Amino acid sequence: EAGVAQSPRYKIIEKRQSVAFWCNPISGHATLYWYQQILGQGPKLLIQFQNNGVVDDSQLPKDRFSAERLKGVDSTLKIQPAKLEDSAVYLCASSLGQARNNEQFFGPGTRLTVL
Amino acid sequence: AQSVTQLDSHVSVSEGTPVLLRCNYSSSYSPSLFWYVQHPNKGLQLLLKYTSAATLVKGINGFEAEFKKSETSFHLTKPSAHMSDAAEYFCVVTDQRYSGGYQKVTFGTGTKLQVIP
Repeated sequence: EAGVAQSPRYKIIEKRQSVAFWCNPISGHATLYWYQQILGQGPKLLIQFQNNGVVDDSQLPKDRFSAERLKGVDSTLKIQPAKLEDSAVYLCASSLGQARNNEQFFGPGTRLTVL
Repeated sequence: AQSVTQLDSHVSVSEGTPVLLRCNYSSSYSPSLFWYVQHPNKGLQLLLKYTSAATLVKGINGFEAEFKKSETSFHLTKPSAHMSDAAEYFCVVTDQRYSGGYQKVTFGTGTKLQVIP
């Protein structure tokens, strides 16, 4: 079974530039999550999708971050414009659904460096 | 309210000695609890999970955890540490306000386990 795919694996940009990350979840997984993991911290949930609808984006900085999951499969996360404090690893995860006991499967992450 | 507290940011043990990584949680609903492991430059992997069945949960690589509702704890243990256990460990809580509702999830801040040969 293929895992969660993410690209790119690494990205270096200058502040005020834009960047986009892509995630392809495990086939059949209805729930998709984007996390931000700053060095030395635990992952922070940015946004959660159920199929192509947003169920939780309470911690997404909506003035600069946006995400979509068209057709309920792949997802993109965009930052525009980037700030220095956005330097982090961006993790995508997927699970079968919203049941609280569903395991999340994680991708390898995208390491973003903002200069 | 939902929260997770991992009481130690770093734990150091000698190879062959027991491991104890501590986690306390808070949840307004019946929670599920998970431990994930993150090896350097690797993705997060599930170690074990508690989902309201048996309170003592066994996971991969000899790890286990016990759910103690009265203490709101879900500590991770292993009888004998191996060098390959050196990694960062995250405790995670999820709950739902009602069945069919959306799942809320919170990660702890992580505990780095160092294993000394």
